[in-house]
Amino acid sequence: DTGVSQDPRHKITKRGQNVTFRCDPISEHNRLYWYRQTLGQGPEFLTYFQNEAQLEKSRLLSDRFSAERPKGSFSTLEIQRTEQGDSAMYLCASSPSVAGGNEQYFGPGTRLTVT
Amino acid sequence: RKEVEQDPGPFNVPEGATVAFNCTYSNSASQSFFWYRQDCRKEPKLLMSVYSSGNEDGRFTAQLNRASQYISLLIRDSKLSDSATYLCVVNTPGGGADGLTFGKGTHLIIQP
Repeated sequence: DTGVSQDPRHKITKRGQNVTFRCDPISEHNRLYWYRQTLGQGPEFLTYFQNEAQLEKSRLLSDRFSAERPKGSFSTLEIQRTEQGDSAMYLCASSPSVAGGNEQYFGPGTRLTVT
Repeated sequence: RKEVEQDPGPFNVPEGATVAFNCTYSNSASQSFFWYRQDCRKEPKLLMSVYSSGNEDGRFTAQLNRASQYISLLIRDSKLSDSATYLCVVNTPGGGADGLTFGKGTHLIIQP
């Protein structure tokens, strides 16, 4: 399967714990995006990378959130000191183009539940 | 005013019928437009890009009206498998997020 993959698919954690998610984009795609989606809402942008450079961060991304893409391939999203409000689906997407607005391809998501 | 607005539905439509959704966007500088489909508890999947001249892909037709700032999606001869949430996506250069803003989606239910 050459699509976007994410790991884990599900994560249940207790409030206050740290969690880390991984995304592997389509191999030739140089742009990688993280979104968060809650029930009844569309995906909300968190951050994106072009190669290893993090180019944009949403105001939604509090200082408890950090993302990396150290070698311009896979990316990780870490949430420190999780809160119940962090419960959501975390989606990763990749895009083949250096220009904005091109088609993005999504991974299956990581569903986070904070208890 | 929200950047991308859609009627959340649900639209309950009998199998075989034609159904259409609209989506309005607020930024006249928006340049690219897409429709994504999302099944329950699954990731969004690109359905089609929306070009200025309109475009058709099988039973699906997308139209763009820049003057009124809306895009539409028409589904003909609807199938049970068309039941899903349809997300309108707009790109606005310089808008952050590489410019992509998602609507909340329109929920479509095709009934046998």
